[in-house]
Amino acid sequence: GENVEQHPSTLSVQEGDSAVIKCTYSDSASNYFPWYKQELGKRPQLIIDIRSNVGEKKDQRIAVTLNKTAKHFSLHITETQPEDSAVYFCAASPPDTGKLIFGQGTTLQVKP
Amino acid sequence: DAGITQSPRHKVTETGTPVTLRCHQTENHRYMYWYRQDPGHGLRLIHYSYGVKDTDKGEVSDGYSVSRSKTEDFLLTLESATSSQTSVYFCAISESSGGTDTQYFGPGTRLTVL
Repeated sequence: GENVEQHPSTLSVQEGDSAVIKCTYSDSASNYFPWYKQELGKRPQLIIDIRSNVGEKKDQRIAVTLNKTAKHFSLHITETQPEDSAVYFCAASPPDTGKLIFGQGTTLQVKP
Repeated sequence: DAGITQSPRHKVTETGTPVTLRCHQTENHRYMYWYRQDPGHGLRLIHYSYGVKDTDKGEVSDGYSVSRSKTEDFLLTLESATSSQTSVYFCAISESSGGTDTQYFGPGTRLTVL
């Protein structure tokens, strides 16, 4: 079955710097890749997603890139702010399964 | 919040007792999911449902059962709770009729098994 690896497990950046989180997946047929942000004590919230027919997607300071050949996708956050501090999860969805397989999570700390 | 509620929000129980967690949705979505979240493991799928009385196992289903007798309710049961089942449990729904689409999460239930 699908397996998703996420790196790094922790990331600390200065406010204003960029942050990059990377995920690799094993099932080349997976076709949907969402990213979730989870603040302490809260539920995971979708922040951006990408489908396999697209190579890049942006939403203000957040972007996701997908390399299907290498089976990896990345989250890019520019001009980080303290409120970006949270745990971020990537996920992959094999087709026709109705399931998401999540990475282990990355704790992002943005220092003022 | 996609109209998802979970009950109870917090529960402390003892080893060997049965526990049932409830997920309720108000928007008639076909797919519903139960995950557990533990440090270092991310979100792991326990069971999911693709319709009334249609359920399937996820990656960590041992020790758990589910039922879905109505579209709006998805129940997760721990028949005999163990300390290893201490976790935060999240319910989720998918808006897609096919399931492969954005999932939205409920507020979570923190379960402690003593």
